[in-house]
Amino acid sequence: ETGVTQSPTHLIKTRGQQVTLRCSSQSGHNTVSWYQQALGQGPQFIFQYYREEENGRGNFPPRFSGLQFPNYSSELNVNALELDDSALYLCASSVKDGRNEKLFFGSGTQLSVL
Amino acid sequence: AQKITQTQPGMFVQEKEAVTLDCTYDTSDPSYGLFWYKQPSSGEMIFLIYQGSYDQQNATEGRYSLNFQKARKSANLVISASQLGDSAMYFCAMRERGTDKLIFGTGTRLQVFP
Repeated sequence: ETGVTQSPTHLIKTRGQQVTLRCSSQSGHNTVSWYQQALGQGPQFIFQYYREEENGRGNFPPRFSGLQFPNYSSELNVNALELDDSALYLCASSVKDGRNEKLFFGSGTQLSVL
Repeated sequence: AQKITQTQPGMFVQEKEAVTLDCTYDTSDPSYGLFWYKQPSSGEMIFLIYQGSYDQQNATEGRYSLNFQKARKSANLVISASQLGDSAMYFCAMRERGTDKLIFGTGTRLQVFP
């Protein structure tokens, strides 16, 4: 049990639609990262938020956006969905300090785009 | 660019035996962190073990140990006394200096049989 919860667990959308995925982190975890894991692949870093501001971004287009809230929850928004966006989306939280070895992951949201 | 390579798509091991999962990495940065995560079918990424590039000793966490060979750029995970519950995907990952971004390999599926 990592204390990170994601909702919904599964989601089906059609191409061109918009989707919002949600994550609730552990209390006190001021950093949240989002990863995309395609079938048979390792997770790919989308972006990270620290104290409600984007603090690093991977190779994903601007239609992937996020928000982090003061209550340790966060959102991943994807606009104009494409078939290749079908994947498991993982949220991970941590405390930003001098040496934070662990990211705490949620169980993910499985997104299917038809 | 930083890269993680896991060359074993799948591994089998008998219960109570030890197994080694291979991981090699590529980076020009002298400061980095190496991680192993377990991903059961539920999707959650479970932290197993961490090795810092400047750590003098190999990391150990219970039945997990990391065989860190810096000159060869390898960070193999050793699981001793395998259990049926160890059956899962295992991912090796590297953290870029100054960020929490993790770069993952493609994973190894471990199956433990009685």
